[in-house]
Amino acid sequence: DQQVKQNSPSLSVQEGRISILNCDYTNSMFDYFLWYKKYPAEGPTFLISISSIKDKNEDGRFTVFLNKSAKHLSLHIVPSQPGDSAVYFCAASYGTASKLTFGTGTRLQVTL
Amino acid sequence: DTGVSQNPRHKITKRGQNVTFRCDPISEHNRLYWYRQTLGQGPEFLTYFQNEAQLEKSRLLSDRFSAERPKGSFSTLEIQRTEQGDSAMYLCASSFERGGSEKLFFGSGTQLSVL
Repeated sequence: DQQVKQNSPSLSVQEGRISILNCDYTNSMFDYFLWYKKYPAEGPTFLISISSIKDKNEDGRFTVFLNKSAKHLSLHIVPSQPGDSAVYFCAASYGTASKLTFGTGTRLQVTL
Repeated sequence: DTGVSQNPRHKITKRGQNVTFRCDPISEHNRLYWYRQTLGQGPEFLTYFQNEAQLEKSRLLSDRFSAERPKGSFSTLEIQRTEQGDSAMYLCASSFERGGSEKLFFGSGTQLSVL
């Protein structure tokens, strides 16, 4: 039972353009959502998060949008840079236990 | 901030052998998590500790797996009688629990290969 889904396994974007990564979830109990970035042979690194009481959170080039009615969130990266090439994981949790449920990841390739 | 440290980085073992991994969390963090990641999948929750108490274990964690966190500091994850299906990246993460949502900081993982 995949409660957090990332339906696009890969995405290729030109440098300077916008990257949009999508994530859907099925568990309506989730109230906190995070994006992690992972390079090969390293652990996931926290990127940005959003609470369910908000619909948008911005941090520099990264913005996360949350649509609770659609159980959908997205990560926008503007402008995309070659160093952004990595695997991006969407994750969700609920309550005071920060046990995260991860999606399967989207591999972003930013080309020159 | 030295980050979350995991040892060893790589472990190759023969089926049936026991292996033990160690995780040193960020020093002020009171929560410690173990995850497992296989190729093409996201990290899957295994278990977590608050201080020295193991508060939750996933059904993924068979009887061959045991985790400890003595004195609420470092943690060890032991797999007994390893099977080829245990081959995966084992990730440790830590956080500081403040009664609400918090982000997890991950180590670089231990890559286990069972031959």
